[in-house]
Amino acid sequence: GAVVSQHPSWVICKSGTSVKIECRSLDFQATTMFWYRQFPKQSLMLMATSNEGSKATYEQGVEKDKFLINHASLTLSTLTVTSAHPEDSSFYICSASGMREGYTGELFFGEGSRLTVL
Amino acid sequence: GDSVTQMEGPVTLSEEAFLTINCTYTATGYPSLFWYVQYPGEGLQLLLKATKADDKGSNKGFEATYRKETTSFHLEKGSVQVSDSAVYFCAKGGGTSYGKLTFGQGTILTVHP
Repeated sequence: GAVVSQHPSWVICKSGTSVKIECRSLDFQATTMFWYRQFPKQSLMLMATSNEGSKATYEQGVEKDKFLINHASLTLSTLTVTSAHPEDSSFYICSASGMREGYTGELFFGEGSRLTVL
Repeated sequence: GDSVTQMEGPVTLSEEAFLTINCTYTATGYPSLFWYVQYPGEGLQLLLKATKADDKGSNKGFEATYRKETTSFHLEKGSVQVSDSAVYFCAKGGGTSYGKLTFGQGTILTVHP
């Protein structure tokens, strides 16, 4: 099946610094990528939808200046948490969709990135 | 608006017990339906899917049937194993954004030896 890879899987940073998380589709062209945030023992919260070459669409309540999303190519999207604070600590998961043979609308997920802000 | 509702957990079972996790949805039209599984510390993996009414998705002993009349997609497994302990998410596709899924709240399953 399709593979989506995230990096880094773990990151610890100091409060006030910025952190970049990468999401790559390894074997298909991801026209759309989604970024989710997951709190402990809770469901996925969709943060934003990004289409290659255009600005991301953020969900209500998500600060676009805080969570910068770039989708510059069909295989790479990045999420940058700017001026991170402890309340930004969370598990961030990306997913990708794209046209490929046999595609029936499912999403392919990255392994997730756990951010801890000290 | 469209939604997906899963039975609340957590669910705790003994090994070899029968598992059912209920999932119902609301939607216009006939969306594709999915079950995803998340093992501890990992991202989500597609477990099975069904794209039209009466389709049965199956994988690793898990099954779910797309029931249009009851708008349901319940997940079942006849004999669970300790390794099945995970969080299970029901999801539906469709909508105006291609590939955008609506997820249920997730059900934590713990299987004891």
